[in-house]
Amino acid sequence: NAGVMQNPRHLVRRRGQEARLRCSPMKGHSHVYWYRQLPEEGLKFMVYLQKENIIDESGMPKERFSAEFPKEGPSILRIQQVVRGDSAAYFCASSPPAGSGTDTQYFGPGTRLTVL
Amino acid sequence: AQSVTQLGSHVSVSEGALVLLRCNYSSSVPPYLFWYVQYPNQGLQLLLKYTSAATLVKGINGFEAEFKKSETSFHLTKPSAHMSDAAEYFCAVRTGSARQLTFGSGTQLTVLP
Repeated sequence: NAGVMQNPRHLVRRRGQEARLRCSPMKGHSHVYWYRQLPEEGLKFMVYLQKENIIDESGMPKERFSAEFPKEGPSILRIQQVVRGDSAAYFCASSPPAGSGTDTQYFGPGTRLTVL
Repeated sequence: AQSVTQLGSHVSVSEGALVLLRCNYSSSVPPYLFWYVQYPNQGLQLLLKYTSAATLVKGINGFEAEFKKSETSFHLTKPSAHMSDAAEYFCAVRTGSARQLTFGSGTQLTVLP
C-alpha cells in the first residue's frame, strides 16, 4: 500500500508565477489536509478537504491560495502570483473515512517551494 | 483554542543516554496527542499517539510517552539513544471534532558519539 504521494518534491518559481502542488492520498483515504512549514518553524494547518468539498479552510491565506480535491485525481494546492514569503515546505496528509476506527493522519514527503 | 509548547528547540544527548523531549499542551477539552519524527528532507512519520486509553503510550523505535493531565504534559522518552534517532521531533494536539493538528515548533535531537 503506497503512502501519501506528493509531487513535485521540489518546485522553483519566480515571483508572480503560479505554483501547483499535487497530493495523492493513501489508498482508501478520503480526507486530505494541507500544512505549511516555514523555515525553522513547525507545521501550520492550512485546509482540510474531502472529495469535492472544502471542510475547513481556516488556515488558508485569504488571497492567492486555493485548494481542491476533485472526485477523480489528486488534491491540488494552488498558489497564484507567488511571492518570496511563500517559500516553504508544503505537506499533505491523509486519513481514512469517518467510522473506520482511526483518524490518524499520514504525511507525504512534502513539496519544497522556492520563490526566486 | 489549543496550543502546544515544546521546551528546548535543540537537545543533544550522548549515544546510549536517556532521551527526554518535552511537550506541554493547552486545551479546554480532552486532547488527542501525537509525536511525529521528521528526518532531513522527508515527511513526518508517526511515532505514537494518545487517544484517552492508557496514559503510557509505547511507539515505534523504542520511544514512549506519558500523558499527565495534572501537568498538561506529554513528554517523549527513550531509555537509550541511538545515532539513527537524530532528527526533528514534533508534538501535536487535536481536540474534539476538529480534524486539524496543531503542532509545536519542534525539537532538533542531536546524538553525539
